[in-house]
Amino acid sequence: QQPVQSPQAVILREGEDAVINCSSSKALYSVHWYRQKHGEAPVFLMILLKGGEQKGHEKISASFNEKKQQSSLYLTASQLSYSGTYFCGTEGASNTGKLIFGQGTTLQVKP
Amino acid sequence: KAGVTQTPRYLIKTRGQQVTLSCSPISGHRSVSWYQQTPGQGLQFLFEYFSETQRNKGNFPGRFSGRQFSNSRSEMNVSTLELGDSALYLCATRIGSGAGEQYFGPGTRLTVT
Repeated sequence: QQPVQSPQAVILREGEDAVINCSSSKALYSVHWYRQKHGEAPVFLMILLKGGEQKGHEKISASFNEKKQQSSLYLTASQLSYSGTYFCGTEGASNTGKLIFGQGTTLQVKP
Repeated sequence: KAGVTQTPRYLIKTRGQQVTLSCSPISGHRSVSWYQQTPGQGLQFLFEYFSETQRNKGNFPGRFSGRQFSNSRSEMNVSTLELGDSALYLCATRIGSGAGEQYFGPGTRLTVT
């Protein structure tokens, strides 16, 4: 079942912060975060694994609440380059490699 | 290190034809997953290969198939193309078979007329 992302769209000014949420109704083994700019491929941002391990870009942080099957991506001091569509992808323990993506959150950062 | 490469980048086909898309993973990556992206359905999982074996399959008809070669390169094939198959087809590769970050290729834009 597809995870649900919120909000669907966000407009920010440079320097402002944003939080994007991802919620699943299924037990998760990992949550992946990607950013996609128009006409380009999704770019890996962060992976959070059950048990607390995480790996990703230095300037981006995220959390994973295993009990609630929820993850949040925190974008602080946003820059123009942060604009794009953010996707969370969820993965179960029994089918690693099969990412089920949310519908995406469009982020626009204005000067 | 070179990234994931996909060929061709753009393709126009007619209904009823078949098409083969190719994905070459990052050196050392042995797992390849395929996704279809459309404005209406978003990013949808097609299938995943590791060590030449299909490990996972999404909810797509049998017209969609794939394979992986011993050098980890993968191909996907769509037979009897339909207008609804028009999409961006993305492959993503990762090192092993467990959970891990996936790196996407630039995609193949398929248009079916």
